[in-house]
Amino acid sequence: DTAVSQTPKYLVTQMGNDKSIKCEQNLGHDTMYWYKQDSKKFLKIMFSYNNKELIINETVPNRFSPKSPDKAHLNLHINSLELGDSAVYFCASSQDRGRGYNEQFFGPGTRLTVL
Amino acid sequence: GQNIDQPTEMTATEGAIVQINCTYQTSGFNGLFWYQQHAGEAPTFLSYNVLDGLEEKGRFSSFLSRSKGYSYLLLKELQMKDSASYLCAVRELNSGGFKTIFGAGTRLFVKA
Repeated sequence: DTAVSQTPKYLVTQMGNDKSIKCEQNLGHDTMYWYKQDSKKFLKIMFSYNNKELIINETVPNRFSPKSPDKAHLNLHINSLELGDSAVYFCASSQDRGRGYNEQFFGPGTRLTVL
Repeated sequence: GQNIDQPTEMTATEGAIVQINCTYQTSGFNGLFWYQQHAGEAPTFLSYNVLDGLEEKGRFSSFLSRSKGYSYLLLKELQMKDSASYLCAVRELNSGGFKTIFGAGTRLFVKA
């Protein structure tokens, strides 16, 4: 009955490889996010999708490409991995109702290590 | 643009009260959140303020002053399990829609 799930939990790979991280939420939310948390623990928004449509795209290298096949899934594909991509990547979802509560529910995170 | 400032680290004693401050600058303010993040885990929601004043939830309370761009999280009767990072996050509404920006977090150490 996990609310927001991500796979894999750990990912160790070589520089230059391409990898994907998958995210699924069963909360019925219509907004999903990808965050990057680096070694300084700063949680930075990368992308946000609402009903499969990209609404936030922060200054992220175009090696990162999100894909939302449906509103319950938001995957992240990373091409040509670099050392600086090593971080924990969190997926999250929320129900954006305008005013009022719309807290984000986070997945367990994917710890990516690029060697 | 948006800036969120909170102390990097704080230490407090079990059973005591601690207040974690957060100041922010934003346009289109649409709410302030506090999240708790234990080491190696995901952030979890603690509180939400959109109007000025104090919101109380058990041992945790959060205060907001929109005119001062200021919030605090108050933790009472501290327990060892409260050792974690506390993230202040501001939601803003602009032409691109809603966006939540997180502060760098305050690491709280609770000692016996």
